Amino acid sequence: QAVLTQPASLSASPGASASLTCTLRSGVNVGVYRIYWYQQKPGSPPQYLLRYNTDSENQRASGVPSRFSGSKDASANAGILLISGLQSEDEADYHCMIWHDNAAVFGGGTKLTVL
Amino acid sequence: QVQLVQSGSELKKPGASVKVSCKASGYIFSTYKVIWVRQAPGQGLEWMGWINTRTADPTYAQDLAGRFVLSLDSSVSTAYLQINNLKPEDTAVYYCAREGDRSSWYTVDYWGQGTLVTVSS
Repeated sequence: QAVLTQPASLSASPGASASLTCTLRSGVNVGVYRIYWYQQKPGSPPQYLLRYNTDSENQRASGVPSRFSGSKDASANAGILLISGLQSEDEADYHCMIWHDNAAVFGGGTKLTVL
Repeated sequence: QVQLVQSGSELKKPGASVKVSCKASGYIFSTYKVIWVRQAPGQGLEWMGWINTRTADPTYAQDLAGRFVLSLDSSVSTAYLQINNLKPEDTAVYYCAREGDRSSWYTVDYWGQGTLVTVSS
């Protein structure tokens, strides 16, 4: 079973909110990991969006709008990227990442469609 | 501004080798590790390893065969990824990126533009 699991796709309407989940494998406790989120558009490299550990320890990358925010759901053992006020330019692949056993581990990515 | 500029696309035959470069600018090269990530067509991101730009010590992902070699030329702020004995399944876009230290909680923030390596007979 993969360490990080993301839904393959998600659709949402312009102006709505989208909640992208990154579920950690059983036994890998989300509470002890910082979750990193990246946005990738076709033909471009990933772009760092934000890092989330707790409400008091998190960082949004320079230039990333406040519409993008992170959180955790301990009951689901998942990290969450919330995008509010969806815009057409938010349509992209979103990847989560953690550092696990001294290695970077990525989720499979979620393709967000804004329609 | 911070930039990581990679070398251009490569087309290689199975069994050949390729060396991808990643030239850093806009920051002090030795203060950030360089990591390498690959993305096969239509697939997700796969971490390959990193190289410590102070010591030139590489660390490789456990499940990668010993065909990958990370190196540096600090005099020109450039990191390299060499892949030997190329296989068709190595066809992917290869990215370099910089990884911060504990002060940034090891955030991988800036990425190169990617280098497409195609392996085909």
